[in-house]
Amino acid sequence: GAVVSQHPSRVICKSGTSVKIECRSLDFQATTMFWYRQFPKQSLMLMATSNEGSKATYEQGVEKDKFLINHASLTLSTLTVTSAHPEDSSFYICSARDYRGDGYEQYFGPGTRLTVT
Amino acid sequence: SQQGEEDPQALSIQEGENATMNCSYKTSINNLQWYRQNSGRGLVHLILIRSNEREKHSGRLRVTLDTSKKSSSLLITASRAADTASYFCATPPRGRYSTLTFGKGTMLLVSP
Repeated sequence: GAVVSQHPSRVICKSGTSVKIECRSLDFQATTMFWYRQFPKQSLMLMATSNEGSKATYEQGVEKDKFLINHASLTLSTLTVTSAHPEDSSFYICSARDYRGDGYEQYFGPGTRLTVT
Repeated sequence: SQQGEEDPQALSIQEGENATMNCSYKTSINNLQWYRQNSGRGLVHLILIRSNEREKHSGRLRVTLDTSKKSSSLLITASRAADTASYFCATPPRGRYSTLTFGKGTMLLVSP
């Protein structure tokens, strides 16, 4: 199946700094990528939808100026957490969609654990 | 808002036993998918069942779908300690740019 990678897998940063997370589709082109956040023992919550070459669409309650998303190419989307605070500590998962003839299939990255101290 | 709702929230069994998890959803669907997530890891796609299917098997997994009740079940037979994970059902996007909607998940613990 298709592979989606994320980098880094874990990051620890100090409060007030910014962190960039990369999401890559390795063997297919993804016009649409999604960013999720998952708090401990909870489900995935969609943060934003990223379309290649256009601005991301953010879910209600997600600050677009804090979570900057760039989908510069068909295989790369980045999420930058700006001026991170401890409450931003979470597991961030990206996902990419691939059209397979009879519909879309969605593939998930392995996630990035962000800890803000 | 979440579409799928799994129950139980947590399930603890012994190796060799069967584990059954249920999922209910609210709107009509074309398919329903089950995912597994090991602690602190990404999602692994397990199985997809289409709306015109009632049952589907994959190895030790058996999924059923009842569209009249808007519910699905995931059965893991002869469970192993390695099956310990959270299991989520997910329903597909409606629009071109929308994404899967996940339920809250069932945490399965299989003890040796």
